[in-house]
Amino acid sequence: NAGVTQTPKFQVLKTGQSMTLQCAQDMNHEYMSWYRQDPGMGLRLIHYSVGAGITDQGEVPNGYNVSRSTTEDFPLRLLSAAPSQTSVYFCASRRLGYNEQFFGPGTRLTVL
Amino acid sequence: GQQVMQIPQYQHVQEGEDFTTYCNSSTTLSNIQWYKQRPGGHPVFLIQLVKSGEVKKQKRLTFQFGEAKKNSSLHITATQTTDVGTYFCAGQGAAGNKLTFGGGTRVLVKP
Repeated sequence: NAGVTQTPKFQVLKTGQSMTLQCAQDMNHEYMSWYRQDPGMGLRLIHYSVGAGITDQGEVPNGYNVSRSTTEDFPLRLLSAAPSQTSVYFCASRRLGYNEQFFGPGTRLTVL
Repeated sequence: GQQVMQIPQYQHVQEGEDFTTYCNSSTTLSNIQWYKQRPGGHPVFLIQLVKSGEVKKQKRLTFQFGEAKKNSSLHITATQTTDVGTYFCAGQGAAGNKLTFGGGTRVLVKP
């Protein structure tokens, strides 16, 4: 099993550009989520999904969109990148009913 | 909303010494989890505590959940250079799905 995979590992955007961060898991986990990590602020939940076709907002959803068309994939879209979105983004998954989360390796995003 | 605070933010430890990091929630939790993130890496699950007053050990790591289920601690004995990293607590409220992370304690070990 590859676990949770994320692409790209690094990305530099200009203000106003859009892009999609990819996340996939091969563990058949129902629950998937996106976090952003900023220095000294821990991980903050952006969006999450409890299954295909179901998504919900987390703590900091503004400026981000998600969709969940399959169990395996949970892409995060930045509609119009802003410097405040410079961060490290982690995707995570777990099986519903179990609380251990498995994190991907992260995407380091810089918005100029 | 639910807030989880962690102290200290940084911990400089001499190799061989013990230290403790603390986690406090603004609301009662259904469970609390601890994660470790090595420099440049991603968070890795360490343990989950569910019961009031629960204590669990993993080798040199001791995790405790408070009686009121609003606080937790991680105690590491005889710190080693392999303990370097950031330790996060994450609390799950009664509603279930969302996990709120503390700011983390970054541990640096002096050999």
